Amino acid sequence: SQQGEEDPQALSIQEGENATMNCSYKTSINNLQWYRQNSGRGLVHLILIRSNEREKHSGRLRVTLDTSKKSSSLLITASRAADTASYFCATGTDSNYQLIWGAGTKLIIKP
Amino acid sequence: GAVVSQHPSWVICKSGTSVKIECRSLDFQATTMFWYRQFPKQSLMLMATSNEGSKATYEQGVEKDKFLINHASLTLSTLTVTSAHPEDSSFYICSARMGLQGNSPLHFGNGTRLTVT
Repeated sequence: SQQGEEDPQALSIQEGENATMNCSYKTSINNLQWYRQNSGRGLVHLILIRSNEREKHSGRLRVTLDTSKKSSSLLITASRAADTASYFCATGTDSNYQLIWGAGTKLIIKP
Repeated sequence: GAVVSQHPSWVICKSGTSVKIECRSLDFQATTMFWYRQFPKQSLMLMATSNEGSKATYEQGVEKDKFLINHASLTLSTLTVTSAHPEDSSFYICSARMGLQGNSPLHFGNGTRLTVT
């Protein structure tokens, strides 16, 4: 099931620029995860942020979480052509094994 | 680590036939595996949760008799699309989790593109 909305639905930027994607959700969560999906492939886990964390970094990725606004953002700095993919957020709780998925943002990096 | 292998990556079959898709966790034991269906340019739609040694839990609207799931071991789950029809054509993806709870990441297979003619 889906509870998240991601915006923008699609984003096209020049290589080297930063890309920011947002995710909003509706219910209480214990963690929020971001995944990347290259066209026609499975998803790859990027980063997990817990509800008691506000910001997390992994390489060129920066994720923020605002539980009061029920929203998260994923920032990719110094984008590369290889970052072209769809990005999905998913929320989870410690008591439930399922994740709830956002609709995804399609990111295109123009060389 | 945490590699999930899904096979086949694509398959074309005729209406009325059945197709089996395998999902294997190669280097970890997966008590729970998930099967998703993804329509073009859309998000993942959870079809069912596969639990090792027990019956799968299907999401509302997913036909149990059409999408047979078997999770016979801690490293293998299969999805069989029975009596396939063109409307079953889609991208099917499996995922597995090392932990039991929703606070650990999912590891995905590369998906299976099913085309029913």
